[in-house]
Amino acid sequence: NAGVTQTPKFQVLKTGQSMTLQCAQDMNHEYMSWYRQDPGMGLRLIHYSVGAGITDQGEVPNGYNVSRSTTEDFPLRLLSAAPSQTSVYFCASSYLSGNEQFFGPGTRLTVL
Amino acid sequence: DAKTTQPPSMDCAEGRAANLPCNHSTISGNEYVYWYRQIHSQGPQYIIHGLKNNETNEMASLIITEDRKSSTLILPHATLRDTAVYYCIVHVQSGDFNKFYFGSGTKLNVKP
Repeated sequence: NAGVTQTPKFQVLKTGQSMTLQCAQDMNHEYMSWYRQDPGMGLRLIHYSVGAGITDQGEVPNGYNVSRSTTEDFPLRLLSAAPSQTSVYFCASSYLSGNEQFFGPGTRLTVL
Repeated sequence: DAKTTQPPSMDCAEGRAANLPCNHSTISGNEYVYWYRQIHSQGPQYIIHGLKNNETNEMASLIITEDRKSSTLILPHATLRDTAVYYCIVHVQSGDFNKFYFGSGTKLNVKP
């Protein structure tokens, strides 16, 4: 199993550009989530999904959209990038809400 | 979910036990205690979780006080590879995933 994969690993955007961060898992997990981690801080939950077609907002959802059309994929869309969105983005999946979460390697995003 | 309090950093000698404390004085009866760690800039890694009883696995032991207001993660024989940020999280296992807070964690420095 590949586990949780994220692409790209690195990305530089200009203010106002849009892009999609990809996340996929091959463990047939129902729960998937996106976190952001700013320098020296813990992770903050952006959006999460409890199954295909079901998504909900986390702690810091503004400026991001998600959709879950399949169990395997959970893309995160930045609608109009801002410098405040410069961060490392982690995707995670788990079988249930309280089960062990498996994290991807992260996407390091810089917005100029 | 209840919030947690952890010391920002701790040192430990290689080969000795590392005892990482966590306070969660407002924990509810159905909230579990989870521990994750993040090595350098990698995605967080699950370590262990528990409700009331002490738990042990191949990575660590989790000691929860009888009143459940605090817990200790024990790495029995710390190695240099255990240097990481350790996060203590409390969460209702079947509850709102939105409330899975990572916080700032404890930076454990294992020294030769």
